[in-house]
Amino acid sequence: ILNVEQSPQSLHVQEGDSTNFTCSFPSSNFYALHWYRWETAKSPEALFVMTLNGDEKKKGRISATLNTKEGYSYLYIKGSQPEDSATYLCAFAGLDSNYQLIWGAGTKLIIKP
Amino acid sequence: ETGVTQTPRHLVMGMTNKKSLKCEQHLGHNAMYWYKQSAKKPLELMFVYSLEERVENNSVPSRFSPECPNSSHLFLHLHTLQPEDSALYLCASSQDSTYEQYFGPGTRLTVT
Repeated sequence: ILNVEQSPQSLHVQEGDSTNFTCSFPSSNFYALHWYRWETAKSPEALFVMTLNGDEKKKGRISATLNTKEGYSYLYIKGSQPEDSATYLCAFAGLDSNYQLIWGAGTKLIIKP
Repeated sequence: ETGVTQTPRHLVMGMTNKKSLKCEQHLGHNAMYWYKQSAKKPLELMFVYSLEERVENNSVPSRFSPECPNSSHLFLHLHTLQPEDSALYLCASSQDSTYEQYFGPGTRLTVT
């Protein structure tokens, strides 16, 4: 059984502080790692799709790193803003996944003004 | 605006009813997905269609029946559901398996 674990489950951060959280996934048969942001009452929105070990991606104040050998990815948010409040999901695709993403349960981020 | 629409947004149905959920994507994608999201659980993939052919069916009970008449439309037909089927049902599409998925707003289903 393939598992994708995210930690922490929830996180309260003061506005202006930086934060990060983790996604752990199987280190064998890796194909891709996806990150999504899911704001309340909206649809999940793709942030990054990462495929190469050592990959780093950035979108504004949000960035992500990938270590496929040890099976983890970090998502970083610099200078948190209230609009960053959301649940952040990661999803793993294996080489034999045939379109199936295996999803983590998410990290719920709450930014305190 | 994500380019993926779902109707209805909310649905309450009895266990003996038959209803259908509809998804439409306006992005020209080749793959479409149905997901179930229950409280405090990860997203569960139910069905995947690629170029209108079903690719995955993750042991979903037969009371859920998908239909993909063309690459832009996806339906989920529901009949004789159970209260534990109450959940948020999300539709998504992607260009192919290597690309990010675009999600609709979901249908909040309550089975009474």
